[in-house]
Formats: sequence, C-alpha cells, structure tokens
Amino acid sequence: GAVVSQHPSWVICKSGTSVKIECRSLDFQATTMFWYRQFPKQSLMLMATSNEGSKATYEQGVEKDKFLINHASLTLSTLTVTSAHPEDSSFYICSAPQGLWGEKLFFGSGTQLSVL
Amino acid sequence: GQQLNQSPQSMFIQEGEDVSMNCTSSSIFNTWLWYKQDPGEGPVLLIALYKAGELTSNGRLTAQFGITRKDSFLNISASIPSDVGIYFCAGQSNSGNTPLVFGKGTRLSVIA
Repeated sequence: GAVVSQHPSWVICKSGTSVKIECRSLDFQATTMFWYRQFPKQSLMLMATSNEGSKATYEQGVEKDKFLINHASLTLSTLTVTSAHPEDSSFYICSAPQGLWGEKLFFGSGTQLSVL
Repeated sequence: GQQLNQSPQSMFIQEGEDVSMNCTSSSIFNTWLWYKQDPGEGPVLLIALYKAGELTSNGRLTAQFGITRKDSFLNISASIPSDVGIYFCAGQSNSGNTPLVFGKGTRLSVIA
C-alpha cells in the first residue's frame, strides 16, 4: 500500500509552546489530507481536511486558530498546535487518500503529544 | 451525522479460534474498509470493499459488503497472538476524497 510518513512520533513540550507535526505522502501525490485526533481507547475523530493550495476545512468544534494546517505541496501537510495546553495532549494521526476515487485512506504512524 | 455501530466492543479469544465482528450504519455507504491499529501506531488498511455483496479475503481475513449497503463484517480465522489490536470499520458514502466515517473499534485480545 501507499506510504504516509508522519513526524515526529512523539513530542513532549511545555505549556504555551507550539508544536509542528509533518505528514508526507512518500510515493504518491495527495491534494487532500486528513488530520485525526484519538484519545485513549477511543475511535478516530476527524479534525480537519487539508487542501493543497487552499484553506483547510475544519470540523465543528475544532479551533482553526489553535490547530493551524498548511498544505504546502502535493506531498506535505503540516499541523501546528499553537500555544499548547495539557488538554491538547493526544494522539494525532494524518492520512492521505488513494484508490479509484480516493476511498482508501493510508495513515501515518501517528504523533503522541504530551503537554506538561 | 452518519454513525457506524461496531460490535463487539472487545473480545477475548483463545489462539486458534475464529473471530467475527461487524458494523452497521443507518445510511448507505459506497465503500467499506477495515483497518487494524496496533498501540501507538496509525491504522493499517486490511480490506477495502466496493460492491454490495462483495466478499474479499486477505490471508486469514475475510470481509463482506452487506447487500443492503448498510453493513459489513470481518472474520478472522485461526487467530494468532499477533492478531491482537483494535479493528476499525470505516465507510464512505460519497466519492472524491470525502472523509471516512469510523466505527468505535473492536479491541481483540488473543490468549495463547
């Protein structure tokens, strides 16, 4: 299957700092990428849809100024958690679609964010 | 919004046993997918289903797209310890890079 690379795998930061997470499609181009958040023992919650060359689309309840998304190229999307607080601690996963009509989502390995 | 009901929530089985889990939806999906997630990792795609009634296998895994297009099941035969993990169903109702809807997952534990 397609390969999606996500970095870093884990990060620990102080409250108030910003953290950037990168998501790259390694062997295919992705005009769209999806960012999910996952709490322990929970399912994946869609945060936003990242669109190459245009603004991201955020799900209801997700603060766009808190979670900045930049889809700079056809293979790279970044999620920046700004002024992180302990409640932002979570597992963040990016994904990129492939397949006949983009129906197959391939996921990165995830980023565990811990805010102290 | 659309919701997927996935069951069971968790399962404890003996190594060698067969496993079955399913998802149902209140609305029709055009695509059903099954993923497995290991701790601290992103989900990995196991099987993708495109047509109502379709039955697809991937090794010991078999999944079917329900005829009503509102349900799907995943079977694992002769389970082994490395089958441990969380299995998610996901559905897509429209084409064109639209987000998937995920079930809440089935946590599988295999007792050797």
